[in-house]
Amino acid sequence: KQEVTQIPAALSVPEGENLVLNCSFTDSAIYNLQWFRQDPGKGLTSLLLIQSSQREQTSGRLNASLDKSSGRSTLYIAASQPGDSATYLCAVDNTDKLIFGTGTRLQVFP
Amino acid sequence: DAGVTQSPTHLIKTRGQQVTLRCSPKSGHDTVSWYQQALGQGPQFIFQYYEEEERQRGNFPDRFSGHQFPNYSSELNVNALWLGDSALYLCASSLAGNTDTQYFGPGTRLTVL
Repeated sequence: KQEVTQIPAALSVPEGENLVLNCSFTDSAIYNLQWFRQDPGKGLTSLLLIQSSQREQTSGRLNASLDKSSGRSTLYIAASQPGDSATYLCAVDNTDKLIFGTGTRLQVFP
Repeated sequence: DAGVTQSPTHLIKTRGQQVTLRCSPKSGHDTVSWYQQALGQGPQFIFQYYEEEERQRGNFPDRFSGHQFPNYSSELNVNALWLGDSALYLCASSLAGNTDTQYFGPGTRLTVL
């Protein structure tokens, strides 16, 4: 059974810091891995999608890497801003359904 | 281009009641998935509908049922509500054969008293 774990559970940092969020999964037979952002009480916004054959994806200040063999992904946020405050969820897709971690709650203060 | 829409936004029910939540997929999408997100947790897959049939199901009891209409919109029904059903219910749509990209709606917040 696929299990997804995210650490840390919460993070509070001053503006401008570079951040690393971690995601691990137990079954390496995945189609892809996605990182989502969720604002309080809202739906999910997809940030980055990494196919199983890829090693990383970049979008603006965000970079996500995938090491399928070790069951790990990392989301790197450069030069964090208060507007980045949200919960970040990773999810793996191994049979057309997404299995989510419990998220990292990020607060960036001015 | 309308994204995924869900109704209602919020709902309050009492234990034992039944509830129906609705989802309209993004234009051009034919597959709808439903997720339950309890407070402080990640979303959990309930089931997925394609061509008006349930294609996959997660580990949820039969109290949870669904339907997909010819226009691809979908309903989630929950019978015999109990306190533990209180959650944010998310709908996601995608295109069959390209479920890499699932677009999520804003969710319906269900509170069971």
